[in-house]
Amino acid sequence: KQEVTQIPAALSVPEGENLVLNCSFTDSAIYNLQWFRQDPGKGLTSLLLIQSSQREQTSGRLNASLDKSSGRSTLYIAASQPGDSATYLCAAPSGSARQLTFGSGTQLTVLP
Amino acid sequence: EAGVAQSPRYKIIEKRQSVAFWCNPISGHATLYWYQQILGQGPKLLIQFQNNGVVDDSQLPKDRFSAERLKGVDSTLKIQPAKLEDSAVYLCASSRIAGGGGEQFFGPGTRLTVL
Repeated sequence: KQEVTQIPAALSVPEGENLVLNCSFTDSAIYNLQWFRQDPGKGLTSLLLIQSSQREQTSGRLNASLDKSSGRSTLYIAASQPGDSATYLCAAPSGSARQLTFGSGTQLTVLP
Repeated sequence: EAGVAQSPRYKIIEKRQSVAFWCNPISGHATLYWYQQILGQGPKLLIQFQNNGVVDDSQLPKDRFSAERLKGVDSTLKIQPAKLEDSAVYLCASSRIAGGGGEQFFGPGTRLTVL
């Protein structure tokens, strides 16, 4: 059974800082890995999806990496802004139906 | 392209009452998911549909929860009777790819409070 862990649970940084969010998973036979953003009271917004054959994926100031052998993924946010404040969740599919297993998320606060 | 639509956005009921949630996925998406998200946790899959068939409902409490996907498009999730521990946000998601594993797009969710 896939287990996904995100550390730390909360992170507070000053505006402009570069930061890294961590995600680890137990079953390395993943099909892909997806990063989401969730604002308070809202649904999830897909940020990046990395296929198992890829090592990283970039979108604007976001860069996600995937290391299947070590069971880790990181989300790098460059030049953080107060608007980046949200909870970031990673999820990996597992099982024959490839259902997503989510981590508990990292709550990010970027201070102006 | 319109996103995943859900209604209602908020619902407050008393325990032992029944409630239903509705989801309209992105047009053309084959796979539809219902998740339960308890405060402070990541979403947990309740049920996965491919077109109008159930792919995985292993984590759905079938004694009180039921779901259907009409004509492979809209879906409803019902709870009857509700318990206090059902208080959560219920999220619907859809994916273009059949069979799971594709990029998932989420609706805004329905926040359920059971008193």
